[in-house]
Amino acid sequence: QSALTQPASVSGSPGQSITISCTGTSSDIGYYNYVSWYQQHPGKVPKLMIYDVSSRPSGVSNRFSGSKSGNTASLTISGLQAEDEADYYCSSFTISGTLVFGGGTKLTVL
Amino acid sequence: QVQLQESGPGLVKPSETLSLTCTVSGGSINSGNYYWSWIRQPAGKGLEWIGRIYRGSTDYSPSLKSRVTISADTSKNQLSLTLNSVTAADTAVYYCARTPYSRHFDYWGQGTLLTVSS
Repeated sequence: QSALTQPASVSGSPGQSITISCTGTSSDIGYYNYVSWYQQHPGKVPKLMIYDVSSRPSGVSNRFSGSKSGNTASLTISGLQAEDEADYYCSSFTISGTLVFGGGTKLTVL
Repeated sequence: QVQLQESGPGLVKPSETLSLTCTVSGGSINSGNYYWSWIRQPAGKGLEWIGRIYRGSTDYSPSLKSRVTISADTSKNQLSLTLNSVTAADTAVYYCARTPYSRHFDYWGQGTLLTVSS
């Protein structure tokens, strides 16, 4: 299985909205609605931000939202804040019964 | 509140076998629809799913399947990861994580650094 494809970096100014894409195939993202997103600050443990494409765990800000179209999932962060600067990873369940991550996207808040 | 804590030797020589343990507290590893996964992250690089276990049944990443074994000791509420024939490419922080319905990772351990070096 190949890793999901994410842009290496994205950036935005405080208050703006940004979207991070995550492209897979018809055997993972395109087959199941089991895409999740993780935020990781430097030296910290990854944190679940979105699961099942668009569900937010308790305690996660509603500025974070997820969606999917075909083989591509997206994470949107609205009202960008300085503390959102981090690495973001997507993950998907696959038709083989395994899980796969994206390569990660570094978000810079300008 | 579920808590996970990884432990391991820290340093392993090339070609040897690494063994890591994940101790789970705040919930039984044998209850509910919770799978338990191992994930690793080389320094400065992305996350890689290694495999998971659910009530004794396992699934592994195709890229590591030939070298990895995940097991569970329900009496100790612990998971174990064994990776044989290690190389420098296996140097990474290794995490264990709870995986509800095998779909995502909601609770993570703090991670343990494993270095492969002679």
